[in-house]
Amino acid sequence: AQTVTQSQPEMSVQEAETVTLSCTYDTSENNYYLFWYKQPPSRQMILVIRQEAYKQQNATENRFSVNFQKAAKSFSLKISDSQLGDTAMYFCAFIDASGGSYIPTFGRGTSLIVHP
Amino acid sequence: GAGVSQSPSNKVTEKGKDVELRCDPISGHTALYWYRQSLGQGLEFLIYFQGNSAPDKSGLPSDRFSAERTGGSVSTLTIQRTQQEDSAVYLCASSPGPWLAGANSYEQYFGPGTRLTVT
Repeated sequence: AQTVTQSQPEMSVQEAETVTLSCTYDTSENNYYLFWYKQPPSRQMILVIRQEAYKQQNATENRFSVNFQKAAKSFSLKISDSQLGDTAMYFCAFIDASGGSYIPTFGRGTSLIVHP
Repeated sequence: GAGVSQSPSNKVTEKGKDVELRCDPISGHTALYWYRQSLGQGLEFLIYFQGNSAPDKSGLPSDRFSAERTGGSVSTLTIQRTQQEDSAVYLCASSPGPWLAGANSYEQYFGPGTRLTVT
């Protein structure tokens, strides 16, 4: 069974600074996808960024980028130039694409607060 | 286009009553998921549909919980004889389907959730 671990329950950062949220996972599969989702307070969960395991290049989406270390099974999210609107719960998710279960495994989340 | 919608947005019910929660996925999305999220907690998987079939019901916490999906579209989660521990936000998500190439076929599009309070 796959597991996803987010070791930082809470993080805080000053506006305009950079913060990195950690995520590690455990799997014996080779074909999978990784995601970061954002859940702002009292708002809908949305996708932040995704990474295919077969791609060596780290995914980037504007101020959001990942550091994907496949051998280490690590998938951290870097938020650059943090903004107040980045305050949210962030969930790391793993899904096996090898033809088995299509149910994602989510981490327990990291609560990020951006201070003005 | 329209996103995933859920109704009602809030539901307050008395212990022992039955409730139905509805999810309208994005049109054309074949996969549909139900999750439960307690206050400040992560996501607890409940059930997954591929089309109208539910290949995995392993997350349903008890036989008081059931779900169905009709026409490959709308899904209803039913909780019978509600208990106070059922109080939570129930989230629905849909995704395009596993046979499309690439990560976007597995991306989850979430609804706004239904906040259930059992008094």
